[in-house]
Amino acid sequence: DAGVIQSPRHEVTEMGQEVTLRCKPISGHNSLFWYRQTMMRGLELLIYFNNNVPIDDSGMPEDRFSAKMPNASFSTLKIQPSEPRDSAVYFCASTSGNIVYEQYFGPGTRLTVT
Amino acid sequence: GDSVTQMEGPVTLSEEAFLTINCTYTATGYPSLFWYVQYPGEGLQLLLKATKADDKGSNKGFEATYRKETTSFHLEKGSVQVSDSAVYFCALGGNYGGATNKLIFGTGTLLAVQP
Repeated sequence: DAGVIQSPRHEVTEMGQEVTLRCKPISGHNSLFWYRQTMMRGLELLIYFNNNVPIDDSGMPEDRFSAKMPNASFSTLKIQPSEPRDSAVYFCASTSGNIVYEQYFGPGTRLTVT
Repeated sequence: GDSVTQMEGPVTLSEEAFLTINCTYTATGYPSLFWYVQYPGEGLQLLLKATKADDKGSNKGFEATYRKETTSFHLEKGSVQVSDSAVYFCALGGNYGGATNKLIFGTGTLLAVQP
């Protein structure tokens, strides 16, 4: 079985540009999570979805960040406009059921904003 | 609020040494506890888990016991290998009355094993 798929794996962009990160969760999983990892702040939960509905977006840093899950097999995290402080590795993870068990992480997208 | 505290790294050991990485938690209800491992350049992977008090999770020679009385879930391995070099995250989660559906991660502990 394919794991969680993220694209692109690496993204380099200039400040002010729009960035879209993509995630395909494991088939059959109904919860999806977006995380950000930096050396300074560690691993931060940005937002998570249950059955395609955003449940908790309290970790989204500001209005420049938005996330969607139009169907069970696809999610996007968009940053517009991007800033150098957004540089980080962004992970998507998915899990099944309404009770948290193990989350399965994707390989991450390394974003560099210059 | 609920939280996880783990020992700061880096932890540097020689091959075949004994490993302990401490993890304590604060939570309402009865969470499940997890250890995740992140190898360089990769996402996190579940290493082991325990879902109730006194449970022992184990995998790949690693063990951790859910201690409710001390609110701890320390990770141990009897003999580490160079290939165990990674960042280890303690986490809590589950349907523990917080009405949430997410994991709360510690800050991670870098383990470096030298040959």
